[in-house]
Amino acid sequence: QQQVKQSPQSLIVQKGGISIINCAYENTAFDYFPWYQQFPGKGPALLIAIRPDVSEKKEGRFTISFNKSAKQFSLHIMDSQPGDSATYFCAASTGSNYKLTFGKGTLLTVNP
Amino acid sequence: GAVVSQHPSWVICKSGTSVKIECRSLDFQATTMFWYRQFPKQSLMLMATSNEGSKATYEQGVEKDKFLINHASLTLSTLTVTSAHPEDSSFYICSADAGTGSNEQYFGPGTRLTVT
Repeated sequence: QQQVKQSPQSLIVQKGGISIINCAYENTAFDYFPWYQQFPGKGPALLIAIRPDVSEKKEGRFTISFNKSAKQFSLHIMDSQPGDSATYFCAASTGSNYKLTFGKGTLLTVNP
Repeated sequence: GAVVSQHPSWVICKSGTSVKIECRSLDFQATTMFWYRQFPKQSLMLMATSNEGSKATYEQGVEKDKFLINHASLTLSTLTVTSAHPEDSSFYICSADAGTGSNEQYFGPGTRLTVT
C-alpha cells in the first residue's frame, strides 16, 4: 500500500517556467511533509517542509501548498532554472516515530 | 550545520564477503539514525531505524541477520552487509534525526555498493 502518491513521474519545463509536483497521502496521522531534491549519485537534500497547520509556505523560489481536507500537497518551483534539474521526492512522517514515507519521485528537466 | 557523512562513498566487493558502511553526524548528536536503500531510478526504501545504545528496528522484509546495524554512539551508526550477493548492489543512504523534535532528517551523501 503506497501511502504517498506522487505525480507526475517526469516533468519537462522551459527555463523561467513554473514546475508543479503533486503528492497525495492517505494516513491522516502524518503531520510533517518535506520535499527533498536529489541529484544523481547524491543523497537527498531537504528543500522545504510544511506542517498541517498552515496552507502555504514559501522559501525563495520554492513554495509548498497544503490542502488538509483533500490530503494533498504540492511543490511549486518558480522561475525554474536548468540547475533545478533533479529528482524531487515528497515525503511524510508522524511525530511518533519520525519515519519518512517517500513518494516515488519526479524527474524534473528544465530546458535552457 | 547538520552535516551527515558516509564512508566509503563507493565500494566494490566480491560475492560472499562483508562490507561495513559508516554514517556520522558531524556537528550534532543524533539519537536516531535511519538506513535506506535506493535502486536506480527508484525511491528510497527505509531499511531500519537505529537508536543509540539499543537494537535497530527493521522494516518488514529486511533481513536483520544480513544487514547488521550498530549505533554505538550519538554520532556514529554502521551498516554491515554480510555475505553480500550481487542483488545487494544498491545505493545505501543514511539519515539522522536532528534531535530538535521537528521531524527534520538530514541525509548523508550515500554509499554505492557493487557486489561482483
